[in-house]
Parts: sequence; C-alpha cells; structure tokens
Amino acid sequence: ILNVEQSPQSLHVQEGDSTNFTCSFPSSNFYALHWYRWETAKSPEALFVMTLNGDEKKKGRISATLNTKEGYSYLYIKGSQPEDSATYLCAPNGSTLTFGKGTMLLVSP
Amino acid sequence: DTAVSQTPKYLVTQMGNDKSIKCEQNLGHDTMYWYKQDSKKFLKIMFSYNNKELIINETVPNRFSPKSPDKAHLNLHINSLELGDSAVYFCASSQDGRVYNEQFFGPGTRLTVL
Repeated sequence: ILNVEQSPQSLHVQEGDSTNFTCSFPSSNFYALHWYRWETAKSPEALFVMTLNGDEKKKGRISATLNTKEGYSYLYIKGSQPEDSATYLCAPNGSTLTFGKGTMLLVSP
Repeated sequence: DTAVSQTPKYLVTQMGNDKSIKCEQNLGHDTMYWYKQDSKKFLKIMFSYNNKELIINETVPNRFSPKSPDKAHLNLHINSLELGDSAVYFCASSQDGRVYNEQFFGPGTRLTVL
C-alpha cells in the first residue's frame, strides 16, 4: 500500500475562482495515477488516468499534470462553479490502487 | 441503467450476525473490487477478482468472504459481524485489472453493526 498525501485537506472558494490541489506519492514503483471526483451521497467517478511523466490531461475546466520523477500530480479547476463542489481523490497505482484522503472543495455562489 | 449496483443500500444488524452485500455490474468488465471506507474516510481495497478469480486480498479478516458466481457479480459475505465492521462498503469494476483502466463505483452500502 502506497503512502499518498493530498493537500489541502479542504478548500472553500468563490464561484469563478480558479484553484488547484496537490497529490504526492512515492515516485518509485509507479504505474499510473488516477483522479476521481466524489460528490456527497454519490460514488466516486473517474476524471483522469495518467501514466507518463509530464502527462497533462484536460476535461472541460478541469486539468491535471503528472510528475512521476518527483512524485506529484496537480489538479486544476478553472473558473470554479458550485457544481464542482466535491471531494477530489487521487490514487496512485502500485500493485493496487491506493486512495488518498482527498481534497474537499466547496464552491460558494 | 445503473452500471454498478449494490444491494442493500443500508444494512443495520446486530453483532455476531452473518450478512451479505451484493454487487452487480452490467459493463461487461472482467475485474471487480470491494473497498471499505473506514472511519477516517479512507477508501481501502479489500478484494479484487478478475474473471471470477481472486487476485487481491488485502489482509482482510477471514470473516469476510467474497464470492463471484460469474464475472458480472461479486458478493461480499461477512460472518460474525463486529462493531468495527461498521463502515461504507463500495463495489467497483474495471475493464480488466490493468493499472490504466479507470474504475466504476457502485453507490455504496452503509453497514451499521449494533
């Protein structure tokens, strides 16, 4: 089981603000990095799966970057909307998928 | 149609009882998983099955026994329930067990042991 850290633990922004979170993981024995979005009372939904150092993926206003050599990934949300409010989980995959505790984002109108 | 479904959604039971949680996926995936969301809100892998065969068992007490009658179903049976088993249990599936395949999660089953 990998040691995964996500920061910040929680974040409160205003509608229209751009924001970003960090996921840190051991750089050795890396295979892939997953990002999931988890809304309250729902189940986690996959955002991105990234495998290569320098990978950058985008889905609408959300994008992510990956640095496997130093063991971190950033998730960016441009122009946050209230519907972006959720917990964002990262999960590096070694032999199994290990989830971080997540960053809880609240976007106020 | 729900891609990954779990039943029941809520389960309240007494200590010492035996209970099962069912999971079904209609995505045609080969690999299924059980996760436990613990008291600190971490999602921890419990089991993984690929084509009905167990491939991951993460030091879960043997009171927990997964059963996969076919690759679309992975049920979780728990014997002699303990207070510490209270948690939310999530089932998930992926196309196969390869690391770059995203996982699709069920809605979760909240188990409360009294």
